[in-house]
Amino acid sequence: GAVVSQHPSRVICKSGTSVKIECRSLDFQATTMFWYRQFPKQSLMLMATSNEGSKATYEQGVEKDKFLINHASLTLSTLTVTSAHPEDSSFYICSARLTQGTYSPLHFGNGTRLTVT
Amino acid sequence: DQQVKQNSPSLSVQEGRISILNCDYTNSMFDYFLWYKKYPAEGPTFLISISSIKDKNEDGRFTVFLNKSAKHLSLHIVPSQPGDSAVYFCAASGAGTNAGKSTFGDGTTLTVKP
Repeated sequence: GAVVSQHPSRVICKSGTSVKIECRSLDFQATTMFWYRQFPKQSLMLMATSNEGSKATYEQGVEKDKFLINHASLTLSTLTVTSAHPEDSSFYICSARLTQGTYSPLHFGNGTRLTVT
Repeated sequence: DQQVKQNSPSLSVQEGRISILNCDYTNSMFDYFLWYKKYPAEGPTFLISISSIKDKNEDGRFTVFLNKSAKHLSLHIVPSQPGDSAVYFCAASGAGTNAGKSTFGDGTTLTVKP
């Protein structure tokens, strides 16, 4: 089956620093990847859609300058949390579809637990 | 406005019995529905899906039912096993709206007791 690898699984950083999270599709090519954020005991909130070779599409209320997304290849998308603050502490998860189109399930990475001190 | 709702945050079931998880949606443009299972500190894993042209889809112990008129779907797990204990997310998407994006419910934590 499709495998999405996310790294790191856990990161602690100081306030004001930047953190990069990588998302890789290991056995398939993903022209589109999705970045989600999950707050404790809450649902997965879509942050942005990462498109290979073009700019990401951000959801309403998500600061594009704070959450930089780069989809440089068909197997790699990165999310950089810039100038992190404690309120950015959360669980970030990426996902991709094995096949293009709406009618196929998402395959998720194992997530990254970000803690900003 | 939450378009996908899972009104039960938790459910506890005895091993061997049936688990029924419910999900309601409001957007009539949704035509593809999925259930995901999530363990702590891991990403969700796809479980089963159903398109709006069907009212039932079965895969082993898992069956999803869709009632379009009521905008309601449910996931049945029979028989339930302790390893089924996890958070279950209902998700919906549609070609006509936010194409390619999935909207998730808040999840239901299922506990299956031995």
